Amino acid sequence: DVKVTQSSRYLVKRTGEKVFLECVQDMDHENMFWYRQDPGLGLRLIYFSYDVKMKEKGDIPEGYSVSREKKERFSLILESASTNQTSMYLCASSLTSGGWYQETQYFGPGTRLLVL
Amino acid sequence: DAKTTQPPSMDCAEGRAANLPCNHSTISGNEYVYWYRQIHSQGPQYIIHGLKNNETNEMASLIITEDRKSSTLILPHATLRDTAVYYCIASANAGGTSYGKLTFGQGTILTVHP
Repeated sequence: DVKVTQSSRYLVKRTGEKVFLECVQDMDHENMFWYRQDPGLGLRLIYFSYDVKMKEKGDIPEGYSVSREKKERFSLILESASTNQTSMYLCASSLTSGGWYQETQYFGPGTRLLVL
Repeated sequence: DAKTTQPPSMDCAEGRAANLPCNHSTISGNEYVYWYRQIHSQGPQYIIHGLKNNETNEMASLIITEDRKSSTLILPHATLRDTAVYYCIASANAGGTSYGKLTFGQGTILTVHP
């Protein structure tokens, strides 16, 4: 069965701390994504990666960085956490399609981050 | 990705069909229509997709109008566990290799009541 796991379901950090959110998929997918979800704003794409060591900015990359050293693992890094980064963070993965069709994205359960 | 418009909320009685509409009047010829749903406190889950023809799977049916400007997701016998936010997305790759980007809107909150 398809599986995307995230390192924590809930996380509490202090302003200025460096925060690592980890995502692991076991489906050998090329693409991995990080979204944040806030009430009234829906899901917004932060970063995505289409291959090991490759990354692309999404719609709201400011204040975040990512790392993809292995195909199965995609990390989101908050270099210096701020209160406006309090949010639900969702990781997803998908295969690469050779045509117009977008392959299904499989999501993890999410990490609810609170920055105090 | 083409813009999609969905009603913010809908109700449905348990056991009845839930029909969720989506407008995508600016959809281009190579854009597919995708539906995902998100049950409370979980990540979104793929439901179904289509290009032109109506589609059916074990979860739902997708009806796309002939002009492709709108579509309807049908849950034939809604249960309480179908209460979720439903997202309609119109999207295509840039052509060639796809990175699978999808743009999620606000979706429709479907509440199934006993």
